[in-house]
Amino acid sequence: QVQLVQSGPEVRKPGSSVKVSCKASGGSVSSYSVSWVRQAPGQGLEWMGAIIPKSGRANYAQKFRGRAAITADDSANTVYLSLTSLGSEDTAIYFCARSNGDYVGDINYCDSWGQGTQVSVSS
Amino acid sequence: QSALTQPRSVSGSPGQSVTISCSGTGGDIGLYNYVSWYQQHPGKAPQLIIYDVFKRPSGVPDRFSGSKSGNTASLTISGLRAEDEADYFCCSYGGTYSLVFGGGTSLTVL
Repeated sequence: QVQLVQSGPEVRKPGSSVKVSCKASGGSVSSYSVSWVRQAPGQGLEWMGAIIPKSGRANYAQKFRGRAAITADDSANTVYLSLTSLGSEDTAIYFCARSNGDYVGDINYCDSWGQGTQVSVSS
Repeated sequence: QSALTQPRSVSGSPGQSVTISCSGTGGDIGLYNYVSWYQQHPGKAPQLIIYDVFKRPSGVPDRFSGSKSGNTASLTISGLRAEDEADYFCCSYGGTYSLVFGGGTSLTVL
């Protein structure tokens, strides 16, 4: 079973950027899609985007297009989420999750989750 | 993509059954049989409990069941237990490699 381990908490000032990592063990990140999902304090889950294996291409929720970037380093078996122009509304826990389905690259559901990374944005 | 609509809270007594609804549109729940449900205990990561509308991952008790009718999906938990008290989120494939989540439902076991 794949396990996803994320990087530690981050504190940023408004207008800055952050990069969160998600390292996989028990499987190769090039074999499946990985989604990023965030959860603001006391709020629900919000899908941000996903990287599709082999193609290296990523798809984003419209809200995050132009501000988020999801990349993968196959040699490090790690997926990254970069988010720019941070505002207080970006304060949240960010989760990576293996996304799966009937075929390689599908993102029909998320069956393995990282432990979450707290990102706090404050002046 | 707008978030799927769930009731903010539901409750039930031990041994009873509860059903959580999840309302979407003809572009997500109504179009695809890719509805999933997640259980999240405080301070923990979400855990997949239902996928492809009604399938259960290995290790998930059969007390948890899922269904779909039109643009609405449902999660039913039968034989409620204290450990079922948690937040529950629905999710649907939204087309073109996208997912949309519901706002979440807090389950209280009385």
